[in-house]
Amino acid sequence: QKEVEQNSGPLSVPEGAIASLNCTYSDRVSQSFFWYRQYSGKSPELIMSIYSNGDKEDGRFTAQLNKASQYVSLLIRDSQPSDSATYLCAVNFGNQFYFGTGTSLTVIP
Amino acid sequence: NAGVTQTPKFQVLKTGQSMTLQCAQDMNHNSMYWYRQDPGMGLRLIYYSASEGTTDKGEVPNGYNVSRLNKREFSLRLESAAPSQTSVYFCASSETLSLAGSAYEQYFGPGTRLTVT
Repeated sequence: QKEVEQNSGPLSVPEGAIASLNCTYSDRVSQSFFWYRQYSGKSPELIMSIYSNGDKEDGRFTAQLNKASQYVSLLIRDSQPSDSATYLCAVNFGNQFYFGTGTSLTVIP
Repeated sequence: NAGVTQTPKFQVLKTGQSMTLQCAQDMNHNSMYWYRQDPGMGLRLIYYSASEGTTDKGEVPNGYNVSRLNKREFSLRLESAAPSQTSVYFCASSETLSLAGSAYEQYFGPGTRLTVT
C-alpha cells in the first residue's frame, strides 16, 4: 500500500476558478505535511507546509489538514495559467518523506 | 546563496559503468536526501542523512551507495549502472526534525537526468 495517494488528474479549471487538490496518507503517526509545485523539467518547489488540523492560508493558496480522516488538501483561488503544473503532496514519517505521484493541473485561459 | 546544487545536470552511461552524483547545500542544513523520480512513480527516497556522519536507507536503496562527506556535501554513487536506474535524481536538504517530531520543508536541487543504455 502506498503511503501517500493523490489523484493523478489531469485536472483542468478555467482561469479565475478555484482548483482543489486532494491527498490521503496511510495510517501512521505523521506530524508534517507539505505541498510542492513542479513545472515540467524542473525541480519541486515548496508552496505550503501544514502541521495542525484546520486551514492555513498563504495568498491564493489554502492548505487544509484533517488528521482524523488522514486527508490533506490544497485550494488555489483565482487560478492563473502560471499555476499549470504538477502538484505533489508530501508527508513525513520520522526522518523519511513520502511523496504522492502528483496531480497535473491545467488552468485554461 | 546558491541553495542546493547538483552536478552533473545530464549524464549518459553504459550498463555496468559507475558514476558519482554530487550534491552540495549552503543553507547549513543538517539533513540531506537523495530521491529518484520516474514517470507515474513520483519521488522515491533512495538514501538520507539526518546529520553529518550518519546515513540511512530509504524506500529504494538497492544499487546505490552514499557518502556524507561533510555537513555541506552528500554524494550518490552508482557502482554498476543498470537501465532500471535511468531516472531523474534530485538532492534535497532540510533542517533536522524538531524535538516534537515535526519535519521541516525540504529544498531541492535542479536534478540530474541520467540515462543508462
